[in-house]
Amino acid sequence: NAGVTQTPKFRILKIGQSMTLQCTQDMNHNYMYWYRQDPGMGLKLIYYSVGAGITDKGEVPNGYNVSRSTTEDFPLRLELAAPSQTSVYFCASSYSKDNEQFFGPGTRLTVL
Amino acid sequence: GNSVTQMEGPVTLSEEAFLTINCTYTATGYPSLFWYVQYPGEGLQLLLKATKADDKGSNKGFEATYRKETTSFHLEKGSVQVSDSAVYFCALTRGGADGLTFGKGTHLIIQP
Repeated sequence: NAGVTQTPKFRILKIGQSMTLQCTQDMNHNYMYWYRQDPGMGLKLIYYSVGAGITDKGEVPNGYNVSRSTTEDFPLRLELAAPSQTSVYFCASSYSKDNEQFFGPGTRLTVL
Repeated sequence: GNSVTQMEGPVTLSEEAFLTINCTYTATGYPSLFWYVQYPGEGLQLLLKATKADDKGSNKGFEATYRKETTSFHLEKGSVQVSDSAVYFCALTRGGADGLTFGKGTHLIIQP
């Protein structure tokens, strides 16, 4: 099992550009999450999904969108990149809402 | 809502020293508690967990006991190694489908 995989590992965007961060898990987990990690600030939840076709906002959803067409994939979309979105983004999945979460290796995004 | 408070870092220790990283929480109901570890450049990995009061989670020489009376889940290790240098996050279940609430993380530095 590969677990949770994320692409790309690094990306530099210009202000106003758009991009999609990819996340795939092969553990057949229904629950998937997107977090951002800013220096010294822990993790903030952006969006989450409890199954294919179902998504919901977390603490910091503004400027992002998600979709969940399959159990395996949970892409995160940035439509108009802003410097405030410079961060490290982590995708995670879990079997249920009260179980441990498995994290991907992260995507380091810089917006200039 | 649920929240987690961790001791601020960085925490610097010599090899073979005793480690304690404090974690206290605020929650309604009976959350599950977790410690995650993040090595440089990597995603978070589950270190240990406890799902009910008085449970002790343990892994790789680390231990933490779920103390409901003091709302704490302190991480301990009897003899740390240089390879334990990392950022440690305390977390708990939010009670809903939106996953975990994380503390801000404690950076641990072990010197030879």
